[in-house]
Amino acid sequence: DGGITQSPKYLFRKEGQNVTLSCEQNLNHDAMYWYRQDPGQGLRLIYYSQIVNDFQKGDIAEGYSVSREKKESFPLTVTSAQKNPTAFYLCASSTEWGAYNEQFFGPGTRLTVL
Amino acid sequence: DAKTTQPNSMESNEEEPVHLPCNHSTISGTDYIHWYRQLPSQGPEYVIHGLTSNVNNRMASLAIAEDRKSSTLILHRATLRDAAVYYCILSRGSNYKLTFGKGTLLTVNP
Repeated sequence: DGGITQSPKYLFRKEGQNVTLSCEQNLNHDAMYWYRQDPGQGLRLIYYSQIVNDFQKGDIAEGYSVSREKKESFPLTVTSAQKNPTAFYLCASSTEWGAYNEQFFGPGTRLTVL
Repeated sequence: DAKTTQPNSMESNEEEPVHLPCNHSTISGTDYIHWYRQLPSQGPEYVIHGLTSNVNNRMASLAIAEDRKSSTLILHRATLRDAAVYYCILSRGSNYKLTFGKGTLLTVNP
């Protein structure tokens, strides 16, 4: 079955540690995205990638980093510079970059900083 | 970015139609109107999108006002599985991204 997988589902981190969230898609999509969701709020865009080997900052990129070395993979690293990293992180993809394209979302990773 | 306004919450009864409103008075000519929904602790799910004309798919219908300053998502027969937060979002071709507000929490009563 085609889709987006995110791992792990739950992640606990100590303050000051970097952590990498995995996102893999087998939909052959060019564009991929990372969002953050805080309780009772909508999603906010962290980073996006229109095509492999390219990525751009979204609205709240500070304290995060990404890479896009393979078309199917778009890992997100939450660094120690992110001041309030506890949140629900969602990865998405679309066939290509464009306002008319549907985004497919993964199941999310819930990150808790202890 | 153009903004949308949605009611915080709505209630419906099972098997009845639901009309979820969205106001977007500052919409531009190139903005697409998207609807997504999200169940608790899950990723959002695409529902429907449109530009100018009304749209239908297997999940719902999207009715767009003639001046495009408002739209309505129509669920023809609500089921308990339709209980979710529904987001109305505008995206622009020149700067495509989905900006999710707080959405409308739809409760479906059995």
